[in-house]
Amino acid sequence: DTEVTQTPKHLVMGMTNKKSLKCEQHMGHRAMYWYKQKAKKPPELMFVYSYEKLSINESVPSRFSPECPNSSLLNLHLHALQPEDSALYLCASSHHPDSATNEKLFFGSGTQLSVL
Amino acid sequence: AQTVTQSQPEMSVQEAETVTLSCTYDTSESDYYLFWYKQPPSRQMILVIRQEAYKQQNATENRFSVNFQKAAKSFSLKISDSQLGDAAMYFCAYRSWDSNSGYALNFGKGTSLLVTP
Repeated sequence: DTEVTQTPKHLVMGMTNKKSLKCEQHMGHRAMYWYKQKAKKPPELMFVYSYEKLSINESVPSRFSPECPNSSLLNLHLHALQPEDSALYLCASSHHPDSATNEKLFFGSGTQLSVL
Repeated sequence: AQTVTQSQPEMSVQEAETVTLSCTYDTSESDYYLFWYKQPPSRQMILVIRQEAYKQQNATENRFSVNFQKAAKSFSLKISDSQLGDAAMYFCAYRSWDSNSGYALNFGKGTSLLVTP
């Protein structure tokens, strides 16, 4: 299994809603990432988890709350989002966070989020 | 912080022809990795090719090859015998260890490739 699975594929939510994005991989990877991608722009790093611990938070607003329950799962909890948060949210994983050979990211197909 | 520059927002190539996408980067590191990712309309990020900085030999994957010029900090992608399925956004990306971002990827702004019949 060489896939990173993201659910849901599409999500529409209001500014007062609470929702969660889910990401799952069964490749034994110990680093997992959330990226945000606006249309026609490159992905922007949001969070990095290394060995289930949050290692990087790229100054993301607190209305985005990541969670890594175990080494295979990564969640992104959403609350009180703004319309400008509408974007494609990509999850990725890689082998060992601190290994020099850890160079390849495997991406999921993303969740297209629309905030109304 | 490392930066990746793709100076061609859009490129067009005729089917079966060859096209080269340019990428330059800025770094003070000696050991790092470079990648080209493809993102078709489905928006799935697909790894096309990768290059380790310590290897002088240019990477090749079937119709895809790179011209890696370490001193010039240049990493261009050549697509030979272009096919309609090659139409996509292509992102150049850089990866090295950084105390702030770990091994996370830094992406260029992308080049949109159009393939015409």
